[in-house]
Amino acid sequence: AQSVTQPDIHITVSEGASLELRCNYSYGATPYLFWYVQSPGQGLQLLLKYFSGDTLVQGIKGFEAEFKRSQSSFNLRKPSVHWSDAAEYFCAVGYTGGFKTIFGAGTRLFVKA
Amino acid sequence: NAGVTQTPKFRVLKTGQSMTLLCAQDMNHEYMYWYRQDPGMGLRLIHYSVGEGTTAKGEVPDGYNVSRLKKQNFLLGLESAAPSQTSVYFCASSTGLATTDTQYFGPGTRLTVL
Repeated sequence: AQSVTQPDIHITVSEGASLELRCNYSYGATPYLFWYVQSPGQGLQLLLKYFSGDTLVQGIKGFEAEFKRSQSSFNLRKPSVHWSDAAEYFCAVGYTGGFKTIFGAGTRLFVKA
Repeated sequence: NAGVTQTPKFRVLKTGQSMTLLCAQDMNHEYMYWYRQDPGMGLRLIHYSVGEGTTAKGEVPDGYNVSRLKKQNFLLGLESAAPSQTSVYFCASSTGLATTDTQYFGPGTRLTVL
């Protein structure tokens, strides 16, 4: 069965430091991969998505993610974190022929001054 | 352009009571979804709709019913609320299937069942 694992429940980084959030998926074929962000009290917003082509994907708010098929991973990165990036981040996977997107449990990011 | 809106934002129910959550979107999207979000479990799909007048079961449909009488609205009903239905409920819509298309989410409804 398809699944998505986000190994880190929460991460704390200093403002200005780099960030990497991990995501691993389980699926036999090439998946469609998404990262969403949820700010406190808000719904989810798409940061970026990967369907095919270049494995390094650029998103909004300065985020990028890299698809590594050999590691079944789609890690999210940002070179310099801002206090406004504090939120919960969800990795998700979809696939052709399916009807639902499978979400990871989320990683909560805390940013310290 | 309001995007996806949800009514109400908060609600407290007693066990056995019923209620309806309303989701409205103004983006002319065909597909709409209801999710529940529980701590440590991400989002789970309750029901979805691929167009006006159609609905289908998702991952966790038991205890919920839905209707899509108008393209812009998707209603989620709880006929007899149970404490296990305490959760945050999100509605989403998309142009195409969620597996390949961007979903646009509402702000959520926080429901507590006592």
